Amino acid sequence: AQSVTQLDSHVSVSEGTPVLLRCNYSSSYSPSLFWYVQHPNKGLQLLLKYTSAATLVKGINGFEAEFKKSETSFHLTKPSAHMSDAAEYFCVVSALQGGKLIFGQGTELSVKP
Amino acid sequence: DTGVSQNPRHKITKRGQNVTFRCDPISEHNRLYWYRQTLGQGPEFLTYFQNEAQLEKSRLLSDRFSAERPKGSFSTLEIQRTEQGDSAMYLCASSRRDQTNEKLFFGSGTQLSVL
Repeated sequence: AQSVTQLDSHVSVSEGTPVLLRCNYSSSYSPSLFWYVQHPNKGLQLLLKYTSAATLVKGINGFEAEFKKSETSFHLTKPSAHMSDAAEYFCVVSALQGGKLIFGQGTELSVKP
Repeated sequence: DTGVSQNPRHKITKRGQNVTFRCDPISEHNRLYWYRQTLGQGPEFLTYFQNEAQLEKSRLLSDRFSAERPKGSFSTLEIQRTEQGDSAMYLCASSRRDQTNEKLFFGSGTQLSVL
């Protein structure tokens, strides 16, 4: 079975400092991995997607994630946090048959001025 | 694209009542998904359709839950005899299945409160 574990339920950074949101996955096959963001009262938005084409994936709003098979990790990073980045972030794996997404518990990112 | 539309945005009901939610996917998207999200948790898969066929249902979907997509376009999710534990955000997503890529687009959800 596929699953993801987000290692931090809450991360707090200061504006302008780097962001690191950690995710480990479990999959019996080569997975498709995603990061989604959810702002309050808004729908889930796809940040980026890994599908084995390249291990370093660039997404929207300056976010990127690196797929590390040896560590079964897919951590999300951003060099410099903005206040507008404050939101809930979900690491997600796709089921074998495609389409169906399995979400992690989420990491709430707070950005201090 | 006008995006995935869900109605209503909020629903408050008394325990034991039936409720129905509607989801209008992005046009020409052949897959439609329902998820449930409770406070502090990630969304949990409930069921999905490819066109009008319901291809998979989660164990979370008890007999009180039923979903339909009669013409392969919009979908409804009905909960009968609601319980307080049904209180959650119900999310709909749609996608267009192709060989190389599939991207899910989510609606803003229907927030259900069962009193």
